[in-house]
Amino acid sequence: NAGVTQTPKFRVLKTGQSMTLLCAQDMNHEYMYWYRQDPGMGLRLIHYSVGEGTTAKGEVPDGYNVSRLKKQNFLLGLESAAPSQTSVYFCASSYLPNTEAFFGQGTRLTVV
Amino acid sequence: AQRVTQPEKLLSVFKGAPVELKCNYSYSGSPELFWYVQYSRQRLQLLLRHISRESIKGFTADLNKGETSFHLKKPFAQEEDSAMYYCALSAGNNRKLIWGLGTSLAVNP
Repeated sequence: NAGVTQTPKFRVLKTGQSMTLLCAQDMNHEYMYWYRQDPGMGLRLIHYSVGEGTTAKGEVPDGYNVSRLKKQNFLLGLESAAPSQTSVYFCASSYLPNTEAFFGQGTRLTVV
Repeated sequence: AQRVTQPEKLLSVFKGAPVELKCNYSYSGSPELFWYVQYSRQRLQLLLRHISRESIKGFTADLNKGETSFHLKKPFAQEEDSAMYYCALSAGNNRKLIWGLGTSLAVNP
């Protein structure tokens, strides 16, 4: 049982480049989330989705876009990467918003 | 405003000592509270939630509505407890999780 899988695990981007992070879950969860984790800042919600075809902004959405075309996948896009987006990104999914959230292993992104 | 406060960024104890990781919340409704743990090089995972009232890996947490707290306790810390601990609150109409900033627990031999 894979749970939540993030691709890639590591990436280095140059400023201005674009990329997409993929999150896949095999638990048939409705809710999916993208967080960033920075030292001293805890987990901050970027975007989330309450079901296939729906997305919503979290607390730090600027510079990111998301799509949930399939229930099992939640994509996070950076159109024009900036050094401030250097972070560890975590995807999570849950059956309901107040039930256990299952996390991916994280993606360490460095923007130079 | 809904908020979760973990006042200690770092907590260092010796093996066998009691440990308490503090979590205070601000929410006017009925809260649902969780503790998540992140061991080194591993993904975040749920440790316990107040509804289940379980003891996981020797940890317990009691919701104190009067003090708006959900402190995580363990009577005898072990080295393998060293990790980052996050307190989270499920609140509001959409029940989104609101996270504390985390406490890094170091258990020294």
